[in-house]
Amino acid sequence: KAGVTQTPRYLIKTRGQQVTLSCSPISGHRSVSWYQQTPGQGLQFLFEYFSETQRNKGNFPGRFSGRQFSNSRSEMNVSTLELGDSALYLCASSLELAGHYEQYFGPGTRLTVT
Amino acid sequence: GQSLEQPSEVTAVEGAIVQINCTYQTSGFYGLSWYQQHDGGAPTFLSYNALDGLEETGRFSSFLSRSDSYGYLLLQELQMKDSASYFCAGNYGQNFVFGPGTRLSVLP
Repeated sequence: KAGVTQTPRYLIKTRGQQVTLSCSPISGHRSVSWYQQTPGQGLQFLFEYFSETQRNKGNFPGRFSGRQFSNSRSEMNVSTLELGDSALYLCASSLELAGHYEQYFGPGTRLTVT
Repeated sequence: GQSLEQPSEVTAVEGAIVQINCTYQTSGFYGLSWYQQHDGGAPTFLSYNALDGLEETGRFSSFLSRSDSYGYLLLQELQMKDSASYFCAGNYGQNFVFGPGTRLSVLP
């Protein structure tokens, strides 16, 4: 089975721009979560989608948004980029097994904001 | 809010056993996961404990004590390739909260 894929792998943007990141989950996985990872803040939960619905959201400003399509692929968007948005953005897909959550992470998108 | 605590770094020698502890907040808690992340790589799933007790998977074992709000990851027969960061993650419904990570250095 193919793993979680994320595109693009690297991205450089300037302040004020917007960016869209894409994630394709493992086939059959319907839950997709997004995380931001920085050296200072660690891994922080952004949001989780299941069957095209956002089920949960972390403590991030409204500039961070996402969506999920009917084929479970997901995108996240960050508008009005700030320098502090530079981070590794990780997507993880989950197969829910009777109360057992096991997340599979993609390689991430390294975003640099200048 | 929910937060998890774990040591920032641990050092051990090849062949040794190391235990990485994690404490968590109980409100809304369902279970505890462990992930390994090598430098430049993505986190990979190691184990999940929903019930008290020990779960063993090869050289790695994970333990949970709900009464103590505590868990640990036990790595046996350490190998150089085990040098990585290890994260505990609390499952709070559909929300996973990750600990700050423990950097394990395995020395020859």
